[in-house]
Amino acid sequence: EADIYQTPRYLVIGTGKKITLECSQTMGHDKMYWYQQDPGMELHLIHYSYGVNSTEKGDLSSESTVSRIRTEHFPLTLESARPSHTSQYLCASRMAGFSGNTIYFGEGSWLTVV
Amino acid sequence: AQSVAQPEDQVNVAEGNPLTVKCTYSVSGNPYLFWYVQYPNRGLQFLLKYITGDNLVKGSYGFEAEFNKSQTSFHLKKPSALVSDSALYFCATPQRDDKIIFGKGTRLHILP
Repeated sequence: EADIYQTPRYLVIGTGKKITLECSQTMGHDKMYWYQQDPGMELHLIHYSYGVNSTEKGDLSSESTVSRIRTEHFPLTLESARPSHTSQYLCASRMAGFSGNTIYFGEGSWLTVV
Repeated sequence: AQSVAQPEDQVNVAEGNPLTVKCTYSVSGNPYLFWYVQYPNRGLQFLLKYITGDNLVKGSYGFEAEFNKSQTSFHLKKPSALVSDSALYFCATPQRDDKIIFGKGTRLHILP
């Protein structure tokens, strides 16, 4: 079972608010990822990290930002939320060193911006 | 670039019948292929993966997948479907820059 945790699971906030979605893993994985997924739709990579102090933008442009100060922690921040940010955000991680290593997902954070 | 494709948006199967969810790949070099399942309001759960070796890979919940190099396919299968197998299924492969590419997903409906 994967030890990767996301909080909050569900969040409803007003337009213009700042929010941070938390993601932590206890597996010691170097690589971490954030995906955005609308209900029942495909996954879009928005951020990833190869390790501490490493952050990269993914394939889908996003107004969110991420940080990686500790190996186990990869928070995602939206400075000013808009209704277009309403979506599910999935955090994932995997061990470095081999492309065949399994990627593990958290349970997701559902964000609704009103 | 490495890629996977899931040609079916939705698959309907009667309970108790065998099921197949299709995935084809375009990968240079040795392919590493994964299957994940997503239940409503949940994250993705790992089912199985192909790295090398036997072409038939067994995974969680009675699922298996057959790697076929000549057809560049990695179809997910189960001999007898359960209503609880109804979910969204994704195949995936890593890219050279170590990002993971997912197919668009196939919604599996098991009819009682």
